[in-house]
Amino acid sequence: AQSVTQLGSHVSVSEGALVLLRCNYSSSVPPYLFWYVQYPNQGLQLLLKYTTGATLVKGINGFEAEFKKSETSFHLTKPSAHMSDAAEYFCAATGGGNKLTFGTGTQLKVEL
Amino acid sequence: NAGVTQTPKFQVLKTGQSMTLQCAQDMNHNSMYWYRQDPGMGLRLIYYSASEGTTDKGEVPNGYNVSRLNKREFSLRLESAAPSQTSVYFCASREYRVAEAFFGQGTRLTVV
Repeated sequence: AQSVTQLGSHVSVSEGALVLLRCNYSSSVPPYLFWYVQYPNQGLQLLLKYTTGATLVKGINGFEAEFKKSETSFHLTKPSAHMSDAAEYFCAATGGGNKLTFGTGTQLKVEL
Repeated sequence: NAGVTQTPKFQVLKTGQSMTLQCAQDMNHNSMYWYRQDPGMGLRLIYYSASEGTTDKGEVPNGYNVSRLNKREFSLRLESAAPSQTSVYFCASREYRVAEAFFGQGTRLTVV
């Protein structure tokens, strides 16, 4: 069975600072990994995904994530935070089957 | 494109009442999902349907039933609502196993 752990339910950064949101997965088979963003009172929107191939994945809005099999991690980064990045971020994984498992989410706050 | 459409957007029920949440997708996806979102708990899978005619339990199926009416529609039924079912419910669909899920805008349900 797969599981997804997001370390830090709340992360606060200054505008212009590096954003780092952590995600670790547990899967008995090679995982497919996703990051989603949720703005208040909205559904979830895909930021990026890793399926196969290049382990550094670029997404929308300047975000990227690196799949590290040895560390079972898929951390999300952005070099310079913007006020508009304030939202909740979810990491998700599937082992290639139909079940898609989410982490508990990280609320990102961006301060001036 | 409508994508994934959920109805209703808001609902207040009394304990013991029943209701059905509707979900329809126009992307010809095979797999459909129902999640609930609660503060600090992320998205938890209630039920999913890998393809038309099949349904499977997720992490938190108790108190819910589902129907995959056809390829487009996947409904979630609460037979006897309880306050513990107060939550935001999201429907999602996917094209195939490695693809990302597309989400509806959610149904905010309150059981009093």
